[in-house]
Parts: sequence; structure tokens; C-alpha cells
Amino acid sequence: SYELTQPPSVSVSPGQTARITCSGDALPKQYAYWYQQKPGQAPVLVIYKDSERPSGIPERFSGSSSGTTVTLTISGVQAEDEADYYCQSADSSGTYGVFGGGTKLTVL
Amino acid sequence: EVQLVESGGGLVQPGGSLRLSCAASGFTFSSYWMSWVRQAPGKGLEWVANIKQDGSEKYYVDSVKGRFTISRDNAKNSLYLQMNSLRAEDTAVYYCEAGFDYWGQGTLVTVSS
Repeated sequence: SYELTQPPSVSVSPGQTARITCSGDALPKQYAYWYQQKPGQAPVLVIYKDSERPSGIPERFSGSSSGTTVTLTISGVQAEDEADYYCQSADSSGTYGVFGGGTKLTVL
Repeated sequence: EVQLVESGGGLVQPGGSLRLSCAASGFTFSSYWMSWVRQAPGKGLEWVANIKQDGSEKYYVDSVKGRFTISRDNAKNSLYLQMNSLRAEDTAVYYCEAGFDYWGQGTLVTVSS
């Protein structure tokens, strides 16, 4: 079955830049979506279609794509950004959904 | 305001059944692929199933094929998940998702004797 691979954890100090990657063979063909999830809460969409930012999401959140890897970048990380982040996409046929394993962002 | 409200979760014995519902409002439900996503306690998100706008196509993760059935009623703006032959490993919070855009708050399913 198709898989997306994320690093289990990323740590940064406040004000620094955090980069979270997501790798998958079908990513050149399928868009990626990024979600932020805080404890006890439902996921919140922070990036859609690789690099688009929904209204209400701070500008410090951005997304990019290169080949089989997509990257979520958080510039000027704030304490409130500490959360789990998940990428979501689809297999090459576009019919089966898939999530990455999630990355825990720790703000030191 | 977009709302997705799941219901129907609870405690069920192994081998039992549950039917989850998701009531949608604030957007054009019939225009969206809809999905169920689950999250086991302390674990990551897992895509479970999705259904096309008109219900003509349905897809499932291998672990639930033959046991779960996704369906929708566009007249009622509602999504459903019929879960049969439940196992302990199905214990999770179940979320409904509209496209990739909107999520509900989830409903907890606990499979235990």
C-alpha cells in the first residue's frame, strides 16, 4: 500500500524556521495537504494543494513541492505552533487517501 | 458557517456493529467527495474510506474492506459509516472530512468486552 513518510519530530527555538518534509512516490502527481493538530482537538488545514494557504492561517505557514517531497515551512515559529503536523495526499490513481505518520513540532 | 457533526459512537463488544453519522451544513455537501478518517488513542491519522459526490464510487483502506460501508444521502446532507464485525483495533476517534477542507470534531468508538 502507498505510504507518505514524515520525520517523527522536529525541534526549533522560538523565532526560528521549522521545516517538515513529507515524501511519497505519487506526490509529483497528487496534491498534498497539511494539517495541524493540537491535543484533544480536530485537525486544522494549514496548507492545501501543496502551497496554498487557507484564509485565517498566518502567513508564517507556507508549503512547497519538489519531486517526490513536499515541505511545510513555518517561519518565525511561535510557542502556539507546537503541535502535531500531518500531510495528506492520495495514491497515483487519486482514489485512495493516505496520511503521513505525523511530525511532532516542539518549540524549545 | 461550515459544520460537520459526527454522532453514533460508543462502546461496543468485539464482533458488534455501529453506524456513524455525519451531519453537514454551511457548504454544498453534494459537491464534495466525503471521507472518514480515524485516529486510535495516541496514534496518527488514518484514512478509512471515501465516497464520490453522487455515491457512485467508494474506496476503503484494506483493513476495513468487507466490514465497513460508507454511504451518503445528499438530500439530508449526511454521511454514514456502517461498521460491522468490529475489532479492538477499530477503537478510535472517527472524523468525517469534506474534500480536504473541512473536518468534524469526531466521535469516539471503543471496541471492548
